[in-house]
Amino acid sequence: TQLLEQSPQFLSIQEGENLTVYCNSSSVFSSLQWYRQEPGEGPVLLVTVVTGGEVKKLKRLTFQFGDARKDSSLHITAAQPGDTGLYLCAGEWYSSASKIIFGSGTRLSIRP
Amino acid sequence: NAGVTQTPKFQVLKTGQSMTLQCAQDMNHEYMSWYRQDPGMGLRLIHYSVGAGITDQGEVPNGYNVSRSTTEDFPLRLLSAAPSQTSVYFCASGFAEETQYFGPGTRLLVL
Repeated sequence: TQLLEQSPQFLSIQEGENLTVYCNSSSVFSSLQWYRQEPGEGPVLLVTVVTGGEVKKLKRLTFQFGDARKDSSLHITAAQPGDTGLYLCAGEWYSSASKIIFGSGTRLSIRP
Repeated sequence: NAGVTQTPKFQVLKTGQSMTLQCAQDMNHEYMSWYRQDPGMGLRLIHYSVGAGITDQGEVPNGYNVSRSTTEDFPLRLLSAAPSQTSVYFCASGFAEETQYFGPGTRLLVL
């Protein structure tokens, strides 16, 4: 069974600060996704990364895929209250193709 | 284009009852999946399908059945509900598994 570890579990920071969320596995991902979920709603896909070392930007969010494709990070610059939510990483491994497994999530709270 | 729709939005069952959670998509997606999310947790994969007539088990398939007779529909059946199945159930679809769109969820309470 593949495991996907996400850290930290909870993060509460002041508006304007920067933050980074991490996602790790002991096995090589074939692809990795980041989702954001708001209370009472389904997750919404933010980005998919597939190439080692890949960096993608979405406004103030920067997503990086590790060179060895075993880890990923989500960095938010100048966090805003609207960034509050549950951030989930999800991965697929070559050994279990077509199965997307989610991490336990990082609950982010941005204080005005 | 309604996206992914799930019915019902909320359901209360008694232990031992059976029911079907409906999921439909109108985007002609081949890939569909079911997840459950317990309070404060991430999502756990129950079953998934890579196309009509093809289904496979996820991380937590016990107590659930699925079928995929059409591209559009992917119902999830609870055979004999148990309190441990109290959860929020999400259906998702995508052209491929790495780009999924999620439905709004079905909140299930088993007493």
